[in-house]
Amino acid sequence: QKEVEQNSGPLSVPEGAIASLNCTYSDRGSQSFFWYRQYSGKSPELIMFIYSNGDKEDGRFTAQLNKASQYVSLLIRDSQPSDSATYLCAVSGTASKLTFGTGTRLQVTL
Amino acid sequence: ETGVTQSPTHLIKTRGQQVTLRCSSQSGHNTVSWYQQALGQGPQFIFQYYREEENGRGNFPPRFSGLQFPNYSSELNVNALELDDSALYLCASSLWGKNIQYFGAGTRLSVL
Repeated sequence: QKEVEQNSGPLSVPEGAIASLNCTYSDRGSQSFFWYRQYSGKSPELIMFIYSNGDKEDGRFTAQLNKASQYVSLLIRDSQPSDSATYLCAVSGTASKLTFGTGTRLQVTL
Repeated sequence: ETGVTQSPTHLIKTRGQQVTLRCSSQSGHNTVSWYQQALGQGPQFIFQYYREEENGRGNFPPRFSGLQFPNYSSELNVNALELDDSALYLCASSLWGKNIQYFGAGTRLSVL
């Protein structure tokens, strides 16, 4: 079982719709959860982090964490073509390394 | 722009050679982590440096080594390059105790 699992996609959503990206993790000791966006040929860009169960909102982005289910999600409201990218889920525990999933490719269509 | 700078941006080496990659951390950050990202994969943790010492290492052989300098900048050295070392090498900086990591633009290494 992979430590952090994501559906590779592509996830295709029409412009203006809500994109829902999901991630599960295996280590129950995980404490910090991150979403990075990576455009093709570029480096990962931090867009959200969450530590506690529940929702955290920042602009069009909402991160959701459910530690009991070992599940993290990212919602992107009013999706734009510029949101088309690969979204990487990362988790960390007491050690300071980030463990990444393989990413979900999002395509926002006109 | 994260303020994390990496050099060079691209590098081509041949199998068996050695390479040094460099990273300057964001102002105020004292911790540097290195990751390897193969095509189509997520970044894989190589190691982290804090107070000029290695603090945690991923599943990489000893030919991957690093340094951190008093100004918190860092180097990643890879000896005896193999074809599978071809990847994007990412440096991330953070503040010790706050595991929010910001990445530089990366160095793309091609081993022929």
